[in-house]
Amino acid sequence: NAGVTQTPKFQVLKTGQSMTLQCAQDMNHNSMYWYRQDPGMGLRLIYYSASEGTTDKGEVPNGYNVSRLNKREFSLRLESAAPSQTSVYFCASSRTGRELEKLFFGSGTQLSVL
Amino acid sequence: GEDVEQSLFLSVREGDSSVINCTYTDSSSTYLYWYKQEPGAGLQLLTYIFSNMDMKQDQRLTVLLNKKDKHLSLRIADTQTGDSAIYFCADLYSSASKIIFGSGTRLSIRP
Repeated sequence: NAGVTQTPKFQVLKTGQSMTLQCAQDMNHNSMYWYRQDPGMGLRLIYYSASEGTTDKGEVPNGYNVSRLNKREFSLRLESAAPSQTSVYFCASSRTGRELEKLFFGSGTQLSVL
Repeated sequence: GEDVEQSLFLSVREGDSSVINCTYTDSSSTYLYWYKQEPGAGLQLLTYIFSNMDMKQDQRLTVLLNKKDKHLSLRIADTQTGDSAIYFCADLYSSASKIIFGSGTRLSIRP
């Protein structure tokens, strides 16, 4: 099984450029998440989608938009990239519910904004 | 507010025990987790504990939960070089169906 697939793995942008990070999962999970990882700050939740058709802001949503295209896919868009958005981005998914929630992570996208 | 805190670094000698600590603020936590991140990779679930448990043991791993103090710890017995990684504590906010992570503790092993 592929699990959670993120593309691209690396990206360099200039300030003001836009781009979309793609994420897809093949585990029939209901919930999907976007995190960013910065040194000394752990993973911070940007946006999440508890189920198909819903999206909610996490801790650090400013400067980002998301689309839950269908149950499999959850994309993250930077409309006008800023150097502060240089980070490693992780997509994750989980089955959802009130029971044990195991997150499955993609391998990450390293984004540099110059 | 929602917060999970950990120290950033821990260095231990190979063969010793490692203890990684975590505190959280959510008073309605149901599950607490430990994730492991190896260099260049995403996070993988290492172990978890349900909030009505005090302790969970899984081979070399022991998780202790003090719900009164909102304190979680992960003990790795007989630490090996392969245990070098960043360890993240995480808390499930079941009311919002989201998981909040700590900053991660980088574990390094001395020979």
